[in-house]
Amino acid sequence: KQEVTQIPAALSVPEGENLVLNCSFTDSAIYNLQWFRQDPGKGLTSLLLIQSSQREQTSGRLNASLDKSSGRSTLYIAASQPGDSATYLCAAPNSGGGADGLTFGKGTHLIIQP
Amino acid sequence: GAGVSQSPSNKVTEKGKDVELRCDPISGHTALYWYRQSLGQGLEFLIYFQGNSAPDKSGLPSDRFSAERTGGSVSTLTIQRTQQEDSAVYLCASSLARAGVNEQFFGPGTRLTVL
Repeated sequence: KQEVTQIPAALSVPEGENLVLNCSFTDSAIYNLQWFRQDPGKGLTSLLLIQSSQREQTSGRLNASLDKSSGRSTLYIAASQPGDSATYLCAAPNSGGGADGLTFGKGTHLIIQP
Repeated sequence: GAGVSQSPSNKVTEKGKDVELRCDPISGHTALYWYRQSLGQGLEFLIYFQGNSAPDKSGLPSDRFSAERTGGSVSTLTIQRTQQEDSAVYLCASSLARAGVNEQFFGPGTRLTVL
């Protein structure tokens, strides 16, 4: 059964800092991994999806990496802004191929201080 | 283009009543997923549909929960004889379910409160 862990649980940093959010998963037979953002009282917004054949995926100031062999992914946020404040969730598929549900970590609650 | 939509956005019901939650996936998405998010439990996967079929229903919390999808589009999640522990945000997602790339897109959720 897939298990996903995210560290740290919470992070508060001044505006402008670069930061790294960590995610680990137990079943490395995944075909992709997805990072989401959730704002209070809202649904989930997909940020990045990394396929198993990729090592990195970039979108603007966000960069996600995937190391299947070690069961780890990181989300790098460059030049953080107050608007980046949200909960960031990492999710891995429950099975190795096709459609299936995702197992989520408990998230990193990020606060960027102006 | 329209994203995943869910209705109602909020539902307050009394213990013991039945509720129906609706999900409209992104047009053309063949796979549809239901999740539940409750305080202290995080996000929990319930069930998914590939077309109109749900291959695995083991994620549903109890036999009071059921889901169906007709016409490969809209899905309903039904909770019978609601209990207070059913209070949560119920999220729906959809995807194209292509092999190797299965990016899921989420709706805004239905907040269910059982009094």
